[in-house]
Amino acid sequence: DTTVKQNPRYKLARVGKPVNLICSQTMNHDTMYWYQKKPNQAPKLLLFYYDKILNREADTFEKFQSSRPNNSFCSLYIGSAGLEYSAMYLCASSRDRAANERLFFGHGTKLSVL
Amino acid sequence: GDSVTQTEGLVTLTEGLPVMLNCTYQTIYSNPFLFWYVHYLNESPRLLLKSSTDNKRTEHQGFHATLHKSSSSFHLQKSSAQLSDSALYYCALKGTGGYKVVFGSGTRLLVSP
Repeated sequence: DTTVKQNPRYKLARVGKPVNLICSQTMNHDTMYWYQKKPNQAPKLLLFYYDKILNREADTFEKFQSSRPNNSFCSLYIGSAGLEYSAMYLCASSRDRAANERLFFGHGTKLSVL
Repeated sequence: GDSVTQTEGLVTLTEGLPVMLNCTYQTIYSNPFLFWYVHYLNESPRLLLKSSTDNKRTEHQGFHATLHKSSSSFHLQKSSAQLSDSALYYCALKGTGGYKVVFGSGTRLLVSP
């Protein structure tokens, strides 16, 4: 099974409320990523886990949290959603961090903040 | 930092015509990996092809691309477009020793009969 699964596919959230997105993979991949994708923009890396080590991008450091309780699961947590968080959130995994390793993507979760 | 620039927006083609989607990049790494990912509607983005070898053509599913380090380019080509090629195409870059995959903004290809 070479799939990455994301739940839910669509999420509606209220401004100021928390949001938790879930991702799972059963390929025993070391690395899991979260990207934010807005229309007509490049997917933007938010953070990634290499094994149990979390790396967050500097410009989104305070906006997103994540946890990886085991190798298969990774969550993305927004403590207080704002309108600017409306986007597609793509989870991806790769076997390791090597440059030639490709990413396997989930279908994404489309988050709408109202 | 690293960056990727693609043909912007929407490319519309008639079936049977050649496809060329441009991709250029900037990186501090001397041996980057370049990727093309394809995202069909209602599916997950997936790898189309990749390369790190200068001036070597790489092919998959009728598409091909050649990494040219001299011009920092990795254009995607196909000799004859098919209706099923309609999708969003991303060019992406990963530096050797780096962890971060940097994507271009994507090019939507629409092939019509």
